Amino acid sequence: GAVVSQHPSWVICKSGTSVKIECRSLDFQATTMFWYRQFPKQSLMLMATSNEGSKATYEQGVEKDKFLINHASLTLSTLTVTSAHPEDSSFYICSAYLSGTSGRDTQYFGPGTRLTVL
Amino acid sequence: RKEVEQDPGPFNVPEGATVAFNCTYSNSASQSFFWYRQDCRKEPKLLMSVYSSGNEDGRFTAQLNRASQYISLLIRDSKLSDSATYLCVVNGRGSTLGRLYFGRGTQLTVWP
Repeated sequence: GAVVSQHPSWVICKSGTSVKIECRSLDFQATTMFWYRQFPKQSLMLMATSNEGSKATYEQGVEKDKFLINHASLTLSTLTVTSAHPEDSSFYICSAYLSGTSGRDTQYFGPGTRLTVL
Repeated sequence: RKEVEQDPGPFNVPEGATVAFNCTYSNSASQSFFWYRQDCRKEPKLLMSVYSSGNEDGRFTAQLNRASQYISLLIRDSKLSDSATYLCVVNGRGSTLGRLYFGRGTQLTVWP
């Protein structure tokens, strides 16, 4: 199946610093990528939809100035957590949307980035 | 009302057991349905798509009832390696095409 990579896989940073997470579709072009966040024992929560060449669409309650998304190419989207605080510690997962035949589209997930803010 | 509702479990079954998970969705216009599997501290991985006619993949059988907006997953002859959280997932339509709506997940533990 399609492959999506994320980098870094884990990061520990001090409160107040910014962290950039990269999401790449390795063997296909993705005009749309999604960013999710998952807290322990909870389901994935969609943060934003990233469209190549345009501004991201953020879900209600997600601060766009804090979570900066850049989808500069068809294979790369980045999420920057600015001025990170301990409450931003979470598992961040990206996915790339692949439109299939007969309407059978699906998403392929990156391996996730575990962020710990001290 | 949530887009996708799932029984969170947990389900604890012995090896070899048959277990069934259920899920309901609220948007009748949804067209694509999936079951994903998520292991602890890992990303979700597509287990199988769910088609209108129902479909089977080895020990896994998925069913869709559009009239009731109900999706199911049946696992036969459970293995220890089946222990995971199973996510019921439905796609968005119209302006939200491509967006997936996730259920909270059903936790399964298979014991020896």
